[in-house]
Amino acid sequence: KQEVTQIPAALSVPEGENLVLNCSFTDSAIYNLQWFRQDPGKGLTSLLLIQSSQREQTSGRLNASLDKSSGRSTLYIAASQPGDSATYLCAVIGDSSASKIIFGSGTRLSIRP
Amino acid sequence: EPEVTQTPSHQVTQMGQEVILRCVPISNHLYFYWYRQILGQKVEFLVSFYNNEISEKSEIFDDQFSVERPDGSNFTLKIRSTKLEDSAMYFCASSPRHSGLSGANVLTFGAGSRLTVL
Repeated sequence: KQEVTQIPAALSVPEGENLVLNCSFTDSAIYNLQWFRQDPGKGLTSLLLIQSSQREQTSGRLNASLDKSSGRSTLYIAASQPGDSATYLCAVIGDSSASKIIFGSGTRLSIRP
Repeated sequence: EPEVTQTPSHQVTQMGQEVILRCVPISNHLYFYWYRQILGQKVEFLVSFYNNEISEKSEIFDDQFSVERPDGSNFTLKIRSTKLEDSAMYFCASSPRHSGLSGANVLTFGAGSRLTVL
């Protein structure tokens, strides 16, 4: 059974810093890995999707990497801004059950002005 | 940009009442999903739906839950007799294809419907 873990659960950094969020998964047979952003009381906004054949994806100040063999992904945020404050969720679609996403518990990010 | 829309945004109901949560998926998408997030917990898969039938469901999705695509545009989640523990944010999502057929299958989520059971 696929398990997705995100560490740390919460992170607070000053504005302008570069930071890395971590995600690990137990079953390396995945189709995709997706990073989402969730603002308090709001829905899920897809940030980046990495296909299993890819090693990274970039969108603006965000870069997501994927290492299937070690069961890990990172989300790198460059030059952080207060507007980046949110919960970041990692989710995988696995080979064993291709019709559903399994989510991690998220990292709550706070950027201090 | 196409969106998944959900109504209501917030519903308060008494325990034992029936609730219907509504979703309008993106128009050319073929796969539909319901997820829920109890306050402070992970987003959990409930059910996936394709070609007018359930393709997969979780242990959470018991006989109290049902889904329907009544008119080709709406996708509904019904809870027959709500319990206190059904209080959660319910997210609808849709995708254009099945992940097993293609590497890229982005799920688009709605903003959620918050259900409060008293």
